[in-house]
Amino acid sequence: AQTVTQSQPEMSVQEAETVTLSCTYDTSESDYYLFWYKQPPSRQMILVIRQEAYKQQNATENRFSVNFQKAAKSFSLKISDSQLGDAAMYFCAFPGAQKLVFGQGTRLTINP
Amino acid sequence: DAGVTQSPTHLIKTRGQQVTLRCSPKSGHDTVSWYQQALGQGPQFIFQYYEEEERQRGNFPDRFSGHQYPNYSSELNVNALLLGDSALYLCASSLGRVGEAFFGQGTRLTVV
Repeated sequence: AQTVTQSQPEMSVQEAETVTLSCTYDTSESDYYLFWYKQPPSRQMILVIRQEAYKQQNATENRFSVNFQKAAKSFSLKISDSQLGDAAMYFCAFPGAQKLVFGQGTRLTINP
Repeated sequence: DAGVTQSPTHLIKTRGQQVTLRCSPKSGHDTVSWYQQALGQGPQFIFQYYEEEERQRGNFPDRFSGHQYPNYSSELNVNALLLGDSALYLCASSLGRVGEAFFGQGTRLTVV
């Protein structure tokens, strides 16, 4: 069974600085996707970024980028130039067997 | 495009009662998945509906059941409510069983 672990329950960062959220996972599959979702107080899960395991290049979406280490089964999210609107719960997710397996989440606070 | 819509947004029920939650998928999507998110936790997969049939189920008791209609909308029913069923219930839709999931804003169920 696939498992996803986020070891940082809470993180905080000063506005405009950079923060990295950690995620590790376990799977026996060789070809898969990984996702980071953001859940603001509005509760709606929003896809932030996705990574395809067969791609060597780390995914980037504007201020969001990932550090994907396949051998180590590590998938961290870096947020650059943090903004107040980035404050939310962040979930790492693995799409195993047509369902999403989520980590426990990291609550990110942005300090003005 | 209205995206994924869920109703109601909040609900309070008494222990032992039954509840029905509703979900309309994003336009063009044919698959609906339901997740339970306890406070401070990541979402847990309940089940997935495709072509009006339950295709996959997570580790939830038979008190949790569902339905998908020909227009792809879906219902989640929970019988004999327990206090532990209090959670945010998220609906996600996708095109096909492995397509990118789009989430609704959830229904907050409180069992008293």
